[in-house]
Amino acid sequence: NAGVTQTPKFQVLKTGQSMTLQCAQDMNHEYMSWYRQDPGMGLRLIHYSVGAGITDQGEVPNGYNVSRSTTEDFPLRLLSAAPSQTSVYFCASSYGDRVATGELFFGEGSRLTVL
Amino acid sequence: SQKIEQNSEALNIQEGKTATLTCNYTNYSPAYLQWYRQDPGRGPVFLLLIRENEKEKRKERLKVTFDTTLKQSLFHITASQPADSATYLCALDPSYNTDKLIFGTGTRLQVFP
Repeated sequence: NAGVTQTPKFQVLKTGQSMTLQCAQDMNHEYMSWYRQDPGMGLRLIHYSVGAGITDQGEVPNGYNVSRSTTEDFPLRLLSAAPSQTSVYFCASSYGDRVATGELFFGEGSRLTVL
Repeated sequence: SQKIEQNSEALNIQEGKTATLTCNYTNYSPAYLQWYRQDPGRGPVFLLLIRENEKEKRKERLKVTFDTTLKQSLFHITASQPADSATYLCALDPSYNTDKLIFGTGTRLQVFP
């Protein structure tokens, strides 16, 4: 099994550009989420989803959009990139539709730099 | 304010000793707490989950305690090895049985021979 796959691994954007970070999991997990990780700030929850067609906001949702049209995919969209969005982004998934049921499986991260 | 605190300074210990990492939280009422390991340039990897009605959980050389009165979890690695060197993150649900998982900033552990 591939687990949680994130693409791209590295990306450089100019301020104002848009892009989509892709996340796919092959474990039939209902729960998926996006985090960003910054030095000294730890992992911060951006958006999450408890199943196809359902999304909700985390701690830092501004500037990001998500959708969940299938169980497998949970893309994260930056509509107009800003330097403050320079970060490492992690996608994660979990069994069932409740994160309390167990562990999060993380992807390897996508490192984004906005100039 | 709500926060999860882990020692920001690195913990340096000698091989064979027990490493103890602390996770303190304020103004949360979690139903459970989790611990993850993160190596440089990699995603976090789940280690242990402990629920509010559990005082202690063990897995091989790892032990986690959860004191909801003190609002604290302790993470122990016994007989530590250089391969245990990594950053360890604690995480909890910010309110009872919510679908969010909130992370602390992590503590870097360095085990030297």
